[in-house]
Amino acid sequence: DVKVTQSSRYLVKRTGEKVFLECVQDMDHENMFWYRQDPGLGLRLIYFSYDVKMKEKGDIPEGYSVSREKKERFSLILESASTNQTSMYLCASSPPGRINEKLFFGSGTQLSVL
Amino acid sequence: DQQVKQNSPSLSVQEGRISILNCDYTNSMFDYFLWYKKYPAEGPTFLISISSIKDKNEDGRFTVFLNKSAKHLSLHIVPSQPGDSAVYFCAASVTPTGANNLFFGTGTRLTVIP
Repeated sequence: DVKVTQSSRYLVKRTGEKVFLECVQDMDHENMFWYRQDPGLGLRLIYFSYDVKMKEKGDIPEGYSVSREKKERFSLILESASTNQTSMYLCASSPPGRINEKLFFGSGTQLSVL
Repeated sequence: DQQVKQNSPSLSVQEGRISILNCDYTNSMFDYFLWYKKYPAEGPTFLISISSIKDKNEDGRFTVFLNKSAKHLSLHIVPSQPGDSAVYFCAASVTPTGANNLFFGTGTRLTVIP
């Protein structure tokens, strides 16, 4: 089974802090994604990556950056955390080809910014 | 503007009965549709999908129906079991594939009452 592991289940940070959310997948998938889930808004795409060192903006990239130095690892960076970035963050991966056919998600990181 | 809508935030059903979860979309270019299931403290997991060339796809107790003229998608679970209690997200995408072409609904929380 594909495993997508997010390093933290819960995180509490202060406004202005730099925050790193880490995600590792073990199935050699080319495609990796970061979503955030908010009540009433569903899942919204922040950034995605088709390959190492490649990144593309999603629907809501403002205030975020990403890093993909190795195929299995995709990091989401909040450069200066703000309270409106309090959310559930979900990492996902998928094999090459029809990348929207089936995403494999991690269990999520609930981030609270105080 | 939400392109994929799940207008019922919650649904309660007796065990053994049918659960029907609904999803509407606005973009007539969508040609691939998916349902994901999410348990608390876990990431969403892929449940079932359907291509726009079909109007029905079945997998065990789960059947997805697509009505293209009405831009409506539904998931039927028969018979419903307590383990089906979860949040269900529908999603729609446009070919050619691309992460920016996948849109999620806001989710419906299903509770199956024993």
